Amino acid sequence: DAKTTQPPSMDCAEGRAANLPCNHSTISGNEYVYWYRQIHSQGPQYIIHGLKNNETNEMASLIITEDRKSSTLILPHATLRDTAVYYCIVRGGRDDKIIFGKGTRLHILP
Amino acid sequence: GAVVSQHPSRVICKSGTSVKIECRSLDFQATTMFWYRQFPKQSLMLMATSNEGSKATYEQGVEKDKFLINHASLTLSTLTVTSAHPEDSSFYICSARDARAGVEKLFFGSGTQLSVL
Repeated sequence: DAKTTQPPSMDCAEGRAANLPCNHSTISGNEYVYWYRQIHSQGPQYIIHGLKNNETNEMASLIITEDRKSSTLILPHATLRDTAVYYCIVRGGRDDKIIFGKGTRLHILP
Repeated sequence: GAVVSQHPSRVICKSGTSVKIECRSLDFQATTMFWYRQFPKQSLMLMATSNEGSKATYEQGVEKDKFLINHASLTLSTLTVTSAHPEDSSFYICSARDARAGVEKLFFGSGTQLSVL
């Protein structure tokens, strides 16, 4: 079973920051938080991952709470091409498989 | 970033025939690959873990004799759907783990849409 809880859907205005929450209250010390997204009829695309520090790359920022029980993915300036299902995943060691939950369907509104 | 190539992207076959789907890691070696299935409006469901040079590990409820997985090299894994039936129609996606030290990412193929008539 997936170890994360996400809202089923969210709307965000184009050009605004999209903030996608994720709860992972049972996360253990060696587990990372990963974010992927899936645009319709395509394979999932890696976005970002982190352990306990906040992370930023060219796509997004990841904010992890101090107790690590929740996190937020931030898309700083959402565009229509960011419309997708976003999956928050908790994963352990290097051989640990990725189990997908239901994700958040993000709609970017023009 | 690393690239995983999946082929074919779409296949239509008759009921009772077998279909092979290939998954290749193009610029890295993948000791472990994962196969997923996705039905419309649903999330990805893990079917099996494919390890180079050894037998695949199947998730509960997935028939290993129906979904044959071969991972003969560090860059190629194949999934064969044997004696396909209409209920096997689905979107199949592979994922490969980059085995280089310090890299924790999994990369996904673009998926194969299987339609069984």
